[in-house]
Amino acid sequence: DIQMTQSPSSVSASVGDRVTITCRASQGISSWLAWYQQKPGKAPKLLIYAASSLQSGVPSRFSGSGSGTDFTLTISSLQPEDFATYYCQQANSSPTFGPGTKVDIK
Amino acid sequence: EVQLVESGGGLIQPGGSLRLSCAASGFTVSSNYMSWVRQAPGKGLEWVSIIYSGGSTYYADSVKGRFTISRDNSKNTLYLQMNSLRAEDTAVYYCARFSLVDRMSSSSGHFDYWGQGTLVTVSS
Repeated sequence: DIQMTQSPSSVSASVGDRVTITCRASQGISSWLAWYQQKPGKAPKLLIYAASSLQSGVPSRFSGSGSGTDFTLTISSLQPEDFATYYCQQANSSPTFGPGTKVDIK
Repeated sequence: EVQLVESGGGLIQPGGSLRLSCAASGFTVSSNYMSWVRQAPGKGLEWVSIIYSGGSTYYADSVKGRFTISRDNSKNTLYLQMNSLRAEDTAVYYCARFSLVDRMSSSSGHFDYWGQGTLVTVSS
């Protein structure tokens, strides 16, 4: 199985900050990577697929990059509604998720 | 509008069985890849099972031999039959549509629509 790691596990930030989350795969997955946002008590929401494609309806302050084993999710200017937990997910083989990164208020 | 609505969760004793349902609207279940993903309390997301449009099924090692994914095309509904339940199966279970994007420049498999989840608690 392909293992996914994320860093940091949590980050404290202020509204307007630029936030970057990193995801690493245990082996190369090309661009088979997606990012999700989850708020407490809610289902995950797809933000990014194919490593860098923005899902319809998702604000352009979210962006993704990377290929192979190393990927990044960037929030260019953090908004109040962005405080949540973010997960990466690979589908090069049976889907697996990263452990999550919690973004909370500084 | 695409909608997924799960039902069937509840409190069950270890060793018991439960069947989860996921009623879909706005698209055809049998024409898509459909999956179950679970989340233990306070934990991360874990993929559980998938059924392809052609009918092939796959499972996480943690549930293989105990869980069965299926669908009823006439009801446009996805199911997860869970047998021999264990305490570690306690989680919110989400159904989700799995979409494949196959392009020359990049490809992806991702969960683009999710239900609201149903809680399964395995405890005596």
